[in-house]
Amino acid sequence: DADVTQTPRNRITKTGKRIMLECSQTKGHDRMYWYRQDPGLGLRLIYYSFDVKDINKGEISDGYSVSRQAQAKFSLSLESAIPNQTALYFCATSDFRGVDTQYFGPGTRLTVL
Amino acid sequence: ELKVEQNPLFLSMQEGKNYTIYCNYSTTSDRLYWYRQDPGKSLESLFVLLSNGAVKQEGRLMASLDTKARLSTLHITAAVHDLSATYFCAVEANFGNEKLTFGTGTRLTIIP
Repeated sequence: DADVTQTPRNRITKTGKRIMLECSQTKGHDRMYWYRQDPGLGLRLIYYSFDVKDINKGEISDGYSVSRQAQAKFSLSLESAIPNQTALYFCATSDFRGVDTQYFGPGTRLTVL
Repeated sequence: ELKVEQNPLFLSMQEGKNYTIYCNYSTTSDRLYWYRQDPGKSLESLFVLLSNGAVKQEGRLMASLDTKARLSTLHITAAVHDLSATYFCAVEANFGNEKLTFGTGTRLTIIP
């Protein structure tokens, strides 16, 4: 089974709808991240969480909110989706041991019509 | 604000040839990461470079870090088709912060 899972994998929605993307991990990591990937722009950090009680804004948090329900779960919400939020969304985790990388989920492709 | 630039953005090369992807960043960094992404797939970690002069190799890929020049390179030796992918570098500006700033990626296509 995958260590980092995301649901749904694909979603098409309409402008103004509320959308939640979910991320779960079995790696036991404390740190979780949400990124957005757009063609030609690489990955940009939306929100990150270093533990259940710690939530931080990233580079492009406007229009998004997050919830860290447990160590293993980190959800990203779009309260009122707009077309320019159409993108590929990745969740990632890491464990601060001084040398670890981030481990990425499979991604959620979101289309806002 | 940390900026990370990769070049080239697109690279088409023949099998058997050597080439280098460059990653420049704008502020002092403690760590640099290289990732690979296949079309429609997630990101796979390739290398973690932790100090000036660090060099890591895996198969036909070798990554190095020069923190004084704020430059990392990903060198491809005798390219094979399986290496076709998009390669990203990512920089962590502050030790322990683990906020990564990604480059825009280099799309590598290996032509038989």
